Amino acid sequence: NAGVTQTPKFQVLKTGQSMTLQCAQDMNHNSMYWYRQDPGMGLRLIYYSASEGTTDKGEVPNGYNVSRLNKREFSLRLESAAPSQTSVYFCASSADRGKETQYFGPGTRLLVL
Amino acid sequence: QKEVEQNSGPLSVPEGAIASLNCTYSDRGSQSFFWYRQYSGKSPELIMFIYSNGDKEDGRFTAQLNKASQYVSLLIRDSQPSDSATYLCAVNAKGNNDMRFGAGTRLTVKP
Repeated sequence: NAGVTQTPKFQVLKTGQSMTLQCAQDMNHNSMYWYRQDPGMGLRLIYYSASEGTTDKGEVPNGYNVSRLNKREFSLRLESAAPSQTSVYFCASSADRGKETQYFGPGTRLLVL
Repeated sequence: QKEVEQNSGPLSVPEGAIASLNCTYSDRGSQSFFWYRQYSGKSPELIMFIYSNGDKEDGRFTAQLNKASQYVSLLIRDSQPSDSATYLCAVNAKGNNDMRFGAGTRLTVKP
């Protein structure tokens, strides 16, 4: 039981390049989330998916798109990376919405030059 | 005003002391409150959650919630050097999946 896995662990992009961050969970959770974490800012929610087939914007969605591929997988895409998107990205999942504990993946460190 | 506010610290306590971490939130409709611990370079992991006013104890940890004052705290008794980490307060502001995190308080427990 791996919990929440993320790939890649680390990525360097040039401004304007695109990439997709992958996330998968093996806990049969309904809800999945993407956060970014910047120094002094805490975790900020980018997008979430309450269930397979649905996605919703969080606090900072601009410049990102997401796909809930199936119940296990939730990907985050940067279409045209900008230096302001340099951050650590965490994927998380929870059994259900609201009250449930969120379990986090190990994170992806992204550097945009 | 940020939705969830924490003192960024660093908070330094001697080993064996009580560490007190505080968090305030702005949305009176908030329903669920969480404390996560994050070691440097690692992902957050849940310590405790609390939904109702009052205290909730789990081992050395006690979470306290006061909805009237929009305040939630975490007490760590008999602090250990292994408790040195950043502690994140999280609030479920709308009763759905939209979790808001504070910036975290960095705690150092000195041997």
